Amino acid sequence: GQNIDQPTEMTATEGAIVQINCTYQTSGFNGLFWYQQHAGEAPTFLSYNVLDGLEEKGRFSSFLSRSKGYSYLLLKELQMKDSASYLCAVRDSNYQLIWGAGTKLIIKP
Amino acid sequence: ETGVTQTPRHLVMGMTNKKSLKCEQHLGHNAMYWYKQSAKKPLELMFVYSLEERVENNSVPSRFSPECPNSSHLFLHLHTLQPEDSALYLCASSPVQDSSYEQYFGPGTRLTVT
Repeated sequence: GQNIDQPTEMTATEGAIVQINCTYQTSGFNGLFWYQQHAGEAPTFLSYNVLDGLEEKGRFSSFLSRSKGYSYLLLKELQMKDSASYLCAVRDSNYQLIWGAGTKLIIKP
Repeated sequence: ETGVTQTPRHLVMGMTNKKSLKCEQHLGHNAMYWYKQSAKKPLELMFVYSLEERVENNSVPSRFSPECPNSSHLFLHLHTLQPEDSALYLCASSPVQDSSYEQYFGPGTRLTVT
């Protein structure tokens, strides 16, 4: 079966750096997405990786290793507004999106 | 403003009621999706529409009935639901189906079945 694994919850301190990992086992691979979802709000797109390596977007970076079935989302200079759930999703060989259950990130002052 | 709106935002209904969820996208996209989001579970894809044609139905019970009258509007008709159907129902759209484009989500309808 197809599976996406990510930690259920993480806690970090304002101003620090946090890395949220995602591992996947899917039938084929056509890209990996990260979304942010604040409580009671819509998921919003953060990043897309289809080739190995690091994609940087301001305070957020996303890394992909296809051979390891692994990605991480790196958040720097954490702010209180970064408290949210972070969803990892992989597009498989049929272009279906397979979703992880999300990682709830709690930022403490 | 995400460009995808959903109404109502909250809905409480009994198991014998009939209600409808509405989704509208203002992005000119050709694909629309219904998802179910339950606590601590992955998003579950329910239905996919591409150019107003249903292209996917992921073994969803018949008590959920989608309708896509045009490329901007998507409905989910609900009848004789069960308490386990209580969840957040998210609508999403994308320029085309099954591509590398990201999906744009609405804020969801929080459904409680009593």
